[in-house]
Amino acid sequence: QVQLVESGGGVVQAERSLRLSCAASGFTFSYYGLHWVRQAPGKGLEWVALISSDGGSADYAHSVKGRFTISRDNSKNMLYLQMNSLRPDDTAVYYCARDGPVSWFGDSRWGQGTLVTVSS
Amino acid sequence: EIVLTQSPGTLSLSPGERATLSCRASQSVNYNYLAWYQQKPGQAPRLLIYDLSRRATGIPDRFGGSGSGTDFTLTISRLEPEDFAVYYCQQYGSTPITFGQGTRLEIK
Repeated sequence: QVQLVESGGGVVQAERSLRLSCAASGFTFSYYGLHWVRQAPGKGLEWVALISSDGGSADYAHSVKGRFTISRDNSKNMLYLQMNSLRPDDTAVYYCARDGPVSWFGDSRWGQGTLVTVSS
Repeated sequence: EIVLTQSPGTLSLSPGERATLSCRASQSVNYNYLAWYQQKPGQAPRLLIYDLSRRATGIPDRFGGSGSGTDFTLTISRLEPEDFAVYYCQQYGSTPITFGQGTRLEIK
């Protein structure tokens, strides 16, 4: 079955960097687009970034553009989120999500999330 | 950017009742690419409905999605105790992909 397991979260000081990883299994990784979605404590869901199946295109939320970089390694079935210049309002649970077969998201699958806490 | 506004913010109902949750978009959602998620405390979002009205795998048929263009509805025909949670709508027809702010469905 499809599995997405995030890792790399933790406590980091403001202005520092952190890299999140998402290990995928149970499907042909290179066929699907992928996303990062976050949720600040007690708040709603916010889409962060997407990457195409071949890694050739990416897009970002305005709030992270220029600071975060999404990437993938199709040989290792891994998705990454490099987060630079972190701010306290980046504190959130970060989820990775896989597209369905037809469109962005659609019949998506989600991981359980990893918590990032940015201290000021 | 498409802004999704969910209403009501909180809905208080009893088990067995019918729930109707609304999601209004600031502009038309391409291809009706609209999804609904359920989230319980400490858990990841659970996909209920995608492509406006398709139920995700394992989702009971008491959950239904409808609407078009800018107005969308999630209907739960008869509430079960496990249905009390927060519900989010999401549009993925254009980027940035956006979510509504959520509707909390609580037991009356």
